[in-house]
Amino acid sequence: AQTVTQSQPEMSVQEAETVTLSCTYDTSESDYYLFWYKQPPSRQMILVIRQEAYKQQNATENRFSVNFQKAAKSFSLKISDSQLGDAAMYFCAYRSDNFGNEKLTFGTGTRLTIIP
Amino acid sequence: DAGVIQSPRHEVTEMGQEVTLRCKPISGHNSLFWYRQTMMRGLELLIYFNNNVPIDDSGMPEDRFSAKMPNASFSTLKIQPSEPRDSAVYFCASSPKDRGIGSPLHFGNGTRLTVT
Repeated sequence: AQTVTQSQPEMSVQEAETVTLSCTYDTSESDYYLFWYKQPPSRQMILVIRQEAYKQQNATENRFSVNFQKAAKSFSLKISDSQLGDAAMYFCAYRSDNFGNEKLTFGTGTRLTIIP
Repeated sequence: DAGVIQSPRHEVTEMGQEVTLRCKPISGHNSLFWYRQTMMRGLELLIYFNNNVPIDDSGMPEDRFSAKMPNASFSTLKIQPSEPRDSAVYFCASSPKDRGIGSPLHFGNGTRLTVT
């Protein structure tokens, strides 16, 4: 079974600065997908960014980018120019490439605080 | 696109009562997932369906929980009888299976269940 580990329960960053959230995972599969979701106080789960394991290029979405290290099974999220609206719980998630095992497995989350 | 629609948004009930949570997935999505979120256990998959057929229900806690998907546009999660330990936020999510299983899950706003 796959597992996802987020070792930072809480992080804080000054507004406009850069912060990196860590995620590691354990799998024996070679093809899979990784995601970061954001959950603000409204509790809505919002997709931030997605990475296919077969792609070496790191995904980028505006101020959000990832550092995907397949050999190390590491998938960190970098938020540049942090804004107050970025304050939320951030969840790293893994999805298998195998039909019949299509669930998302989540980490325990990192609570990000933005300091004005 | 209306997104995944869950009802009710909040549910407060007494121990022993039956609770039914409802979900309407995004039109055209043929994978549907039920997750439960608690402080202690984080986000855990309860059950998921492909084309209205349950694929993995290993996360369903016990016989008190049941889920159905009578058609492509509706699913229910029922708890009978409810217990205080069932208090949690229950999320429904859907994804477009035909576009490849690397598609992200789209989440509803969740139902916060409180059992007293």
